[in-house]
Amino acid sequence: DTAVSQTPKYLVTQMGNDKSIKCEQNLGHDTMYWYKQDSKKFLKIMFSYNNKELIINETVPNRFSPKSPDKAHLNLHINSLELGDSAVYFCASSQGPRGGELFFGEGSRLTVL
Amino acid sequence: GQQLNQSPQSMFIQEGEDVSMNCTSSSIFNTWLWYKQDPGEGPVLLIALYKAGELTSNGRLTAQFGITRKDSFLNISASIPSDVGIYFCAGRNSGNTPLVFGKGTRLSVIA
Repeated sequence: DTAVSQTPKYLVTQMGNDKSIKCEQNLGHDTMYWYKQDSKKFLKIMFSYNNKELIINETVPNRFSPKSPDKAHLNLHINSLELGDSAVYFCASSQGPRGGELFFGEGSRLTVL
Repeated sequence: GQQLNQSPQSMFIQEGEDVSMNCTSSSIFNTWLWYKQDPGEGPVLLIALYKAGELTSNGRLTAQFGITRKDSFLNISASIPSDVGIYFCAGRNSGNTPLVFGKGTRLSVIA
């Protein structure tokens, strides 16, 4: 069983479209995250949810809207996609909001044309 | 905000050689983590360090939490081709601040 799974793994879309990435973890963790990895492989946190409550929002444009229906799921919806949104988006989870040990999904590569 | 300086940015080594990489922070951390990312995959946790001075091994990998709490290093002994990948350090200070990642060290192993 995959501990942290994201779908889709690849996403190619046109500028201006709206798209979603889904994430699920079966580790029983109560905190989930979205990270963005750019072309230079730099990992930057976007959001963190603890028990469905937003606890970290790192100055991400409001076109990005995370949603956590329960503590095992954290989805990312992106409106009006721009070229600069092209990146690999990683979902991760940890036990507790202190994020001591993060477990990552395999990533979702978003390409905006 | 917190910044992590990870070096070197990239390394090309011969199979069998030992490797060392390090991370320094501008502030005191109470957690240091080391991750490896293979192409097309997510980062995988290698070693977690929670105490200043702590030295922890995982097979051929050894990592230490610096005494000053502002640095950490990772050593890989007797490298093999499957060690190829990007190694990230990550750290955080107390409270609910998010984990901060270094920019990664890209390791290439020549057989």
